[in-house]
Amino acid sequence: KQEVTQIPAALSVPEGENLVLNCSFTDSAIYNLQWFRQDPGKGLTSLLLIQSSQREQTSGRLNASLDKSSGRSTLYIAASQPGDSATYLCAADNYGQNFVFGPGTRLSVLP
Amino acid sequence: GAVVSQHPSRVICKSGTSVKIECRSLDFQATTMFWYRQFPKQSLMLMATSNEGSKATYEQGVEKDKFLINHASLTLSTLTVTSAHPEDSSFYICSATATGGVQPQHFGDGTRLSIL
Repeated sequence: KQEVTQIPAALSVPEGENLVLNCSFTDSAIYNLQWFRQDPGKGLTSLLLIQSSQREQTSGRLNASLDKSSGRSTLYIAASQPGDSATYLCAADNYGQNFVFGPGTRLSVLP
Repeated sequence: GAVVSQHPSRVICKSGTSVKIECRSLDFQATTMFWYRQFPKQSLMLMATSNEGSKATYEQGVEKDKFLINHASLTLSTLTVTSAHPEDSSFYICSATATGGVQPQHFGDGTRLSIL
């Protein structure tokens, strides 16, 4: 059964710093991996989707990498801003259907 | 981009009430929709997979008679929490994936259910 973990559980950084969020999954036979952002009390916003054949995806200041063999994905946020403060969730999709979510990383970017 | 509308966004009701939550894909057809539940400070947990025109598939530990799911069309799935109790208070989120190829999941904004 797929299990997804994320470290750190929480992170607080000053504005402008580059940071890395980590995601690990136990079953490397994933279909794709997706990173989400969740603001308090809100639904999820999809940030990046990495298909199993890809190694990374980029969108603006965000870059996500995928290493299936080691069961890891990282989300890199460049030049962090206070508006980036949120919980970041990664989710592994084994069968092209539902996802198994990690517990999330709560990010606070201080002005 | 693809939009999923979830309604209502917040419900407060008395114990014993049944509550219906709607999930609509506004600009695409979704053969499959998913229902998740999130307890405070915990991650999302899949409750059930909703398939248009057939019975929903429930995850282990989720009572199908408690959480009724109806997916009557390619754009609408409903989750009914029957005879809700305080322990059912949670944040419920639906998602939908457009048919065809590898598509990202699109999520509704969620429904915060509070049972008094």
